[in-house]
Amino acid sequence: EIVMTQSPATLSVSPGERVTLSCRASQSVSSNLAWYQQQPGQAPRLLIYGASIRATGIPARFSGSGSGTEFTLTISSLQSEDFAVYYCQQYNNWPPYTFGQGTKLEIK
Amino acid sequence: EVQLVESGGGLVQPGRSLRLSCAASGFTFDDYAMHWVRQAPGKGLEWVSGISWNSASIDYADSMKGRFTISRDNAKNSLYLQMNSLRGEDTALYYCAKAPSSSVNWYFDLWGRGTLVTVSS
Repeated sequence: EIVMTQSPATLSVSPGERVTLSCRASQSVSSNLAWYQQQPGQAPRLLIYGASIRATGIPARFSGSGSGTEFTLTISSLQSEDFAVYYCQQYNNWPPYTFGQGTKLEIK
Repeated sequence: EVQLVESGGGLVQPGRSLRLSCAASGFTFDDYAMHWVRQAPGKGLEWVSGISWNSASIDYADSMKGRFTISRDNAKNSLYLQMNSLRGEDTALYYCAKAPSSSVNWYFDLWGRGTLVTVSS
């Protein structure tokens, strides 16, 4: 099973700041990596797939990069609606599909 | 409107069974693989099971093998999860999720709002 590790667990940032979230895989997942955003009390929403491809309707301030075992999600200028929990997920080696434990973005 | 709506959750005693349903609308259901993903209270996401468009390919997480059964009825645009021998650690919000293609090995591009399963005596 591939273990996905996200860091940090919590990040306190101010609106307007640029933020980078990290996700590491225990072995290579090529570019088969997705990012999701989960607002409180809501279902996850797909942000990025293929490590760097924005899903339909996702603002350009969200970008993904990386391949192999190291990945990042960058939000260029945080908006109030971006404060949420973010998960990475690998779909290269399955079953199982595995998620990271999540990074929570908090308002500083 | 493109959506997934789960139902069937509730309070159930350990060792009992429950069947979850997911109704799909707004897209051609039998063009896509489907999955169940769960989230224990205050915890992260855990993949449960996936099924290809024609039910030919089915996978489970190890902890669910032999206890859970995924199925689909394309004529009814519906996905199901039969859960037997339920344990306290199965307590979670169960999401129905759509893959972007007919095969199972993808990410999830559409999620329902979930149905809560609580296993307790």
